[in-house]
Amino acid sequence: QQPVQSPQAVILREGEDAVINCSSSKALYSVHWYRQKHGEAPVFLMILLKGGEQKGHDKISASFNEKKQQSSLYLTASQLSYSGTYFCGTEAPSRPGAAGNKLTFGGGTRVLVKP
Amino acid sequence: DTGVSQNPRHKITKRGQNVTFRCDPISEHNRLYWYRQTLGQGPEFLTYFQNEAQLEKSRLLSDRFSAERPKGSFSTLEIQRTEQGDSAMYLCASSLGPLEAREGLNTEAFFGQGTRLTVV
Repeated sequence: QQPVQSPQAVILREGEDAVINCSSSKALYSVHWYRQKHGEAPVFLMILLKGGEQKGHDKISASFNEKKQQSSLYLTASQLSYSGTYFCGTEAPSRPGAAGNKLTFGGGTRVLVKP
Repeated sequence: DTGVSQNPRHKITKRGQNVTFRCDPISEHNRLYWYRQTLGQGPEFLTYFQNEAQLEKSRLLSDRFSAERPKGSFSTLEIQRTEQGDSAMYLCASSLGPLEAREGLNTEAFFGQGTRLTVV
């Protein structure tokens, strides 16, 4: 079951902040964040492991609340280059006793940063 | 290493024909994923491998889809008797996964540029 992302889209002025949320109904091993620009492959931003850690990538940071099975991506002082579609990927066993943990992506959040 | 390579980049085929796509992952990566992406949607999981073992195949896939990774290196995805609904971007990703499949993944997955399939 894929994670649920919100909002579906956000429009920002350069320098503004935004938060993108990712929720799962399953217990997670890790959460991955990717950004995809039109016509290109998704590009890795960061990974968060169990333990409620927070990470940063330039002025983009993320947190992972393991108990709530949620992750949030924070875009701070947004730049024009931040425009694109952001996907969270969650890693979890597809069922108890499954052989491995698959990486499943949400539907994406489209971000447009205007000058 | 130039990253994950997918061939062909574009494929146009007539309905009913079979198509095969190839993915060459980053050489030391033991995990390989196939995803399908349609316009405005996130990558939809199809299947994944840990080395040569296919650990899971999406229930959304019909029996017309099959994937292999015979020597734990490159992988192929075949679609038999293609339908117009199969038109999409097919993405491959690879990662340096844990030694045991059950353990968590703590490294990034690298995506290829994808194969865009159009069924006419």
